[in-house]
Amino acid sequence: AQTVTQSQPEMSVQEAETVTLSCTYDTSENNYYLFWYKQPPSRQMILVIRQEAYKQQNATENRFSVNFQKAAKSFSLKISDSQLGDTAMYFCAFMKALYSGAGSYQLTFGKGTKLSVIP
Amino acid sequence: GAGVSQSPRYKVAKRGQDVALRCDPISGHVSLFWYQQALGQGPEFLTYFQNEAQLDKSGLPSDRFFAERPEGSVSTLKIQRTQQEDSAVYLCASSFLAGRDYEQYFGPGTRLTVT
Repeated sequence: AQTVTQSQPEMSVQEAETVTLSCTYDTSENNYYLFWYKQPPSRQMILVIRQEAYKQQNATENRFSVNFQKAAKSFSLKISDSQLGDTAMYFCAFMKALYSGAGSYQLTFGKGTKLSVIP
Repeated sequence: GAGVSQSPRYKVAKRGQDVALRCDPISGHVSLFWYQQALGQGPEFLTYFQNEAQLDKSGLPSDRFFAERPEGSVSTLKIQRTQQEDSAVYLCASSFLAGRDYEQYFGPGTRLTVT
């Protein structure tokens, strides 16, 4: 079974500054995917960024980037130039790779980090 | 087409009542997932369908929970004899789950409150 740990229940950042959210995970799988999802207050979950474990290059999406350390089983999210609209719960999630054997493809989530961007 | 939709958005049930929650996935998505999100927590997996086949129901917390997807499209999550601990947001997600198209798209959720 996989576990995902987010050790920062809440964080805050000044508008236009940079913030890093931490995530560690535990798995015996060699091939898998990692995700950061954003859940704004009373709004639905949307994907922020994803990383395929076989890729060494860290994923980036505009102001969002990850630091993926496979050996350390660490997957942190960096948000640059923070905006008020970034205020949300952020969830780190794990999914085993397609066609990698038995078991289904559910997401295993961490408990989340509540990020507040301060004007 | 449109995103994943769920209905109702809010449901209040008295303890002991049965409830049915509906999910309309994105057209063409063969995979459908149900998750339960307790207040202040991350979503937890309940069950998974591939087309009409329920391939994994290991996350269903008790035999009071039942899910179906009879025609491989719309899915219904039914909770019998609701208890207070069933109060949560129930999220549905769908995915194509092939090649590089493995992202799960979430609906807005149904907030269930059991009084």
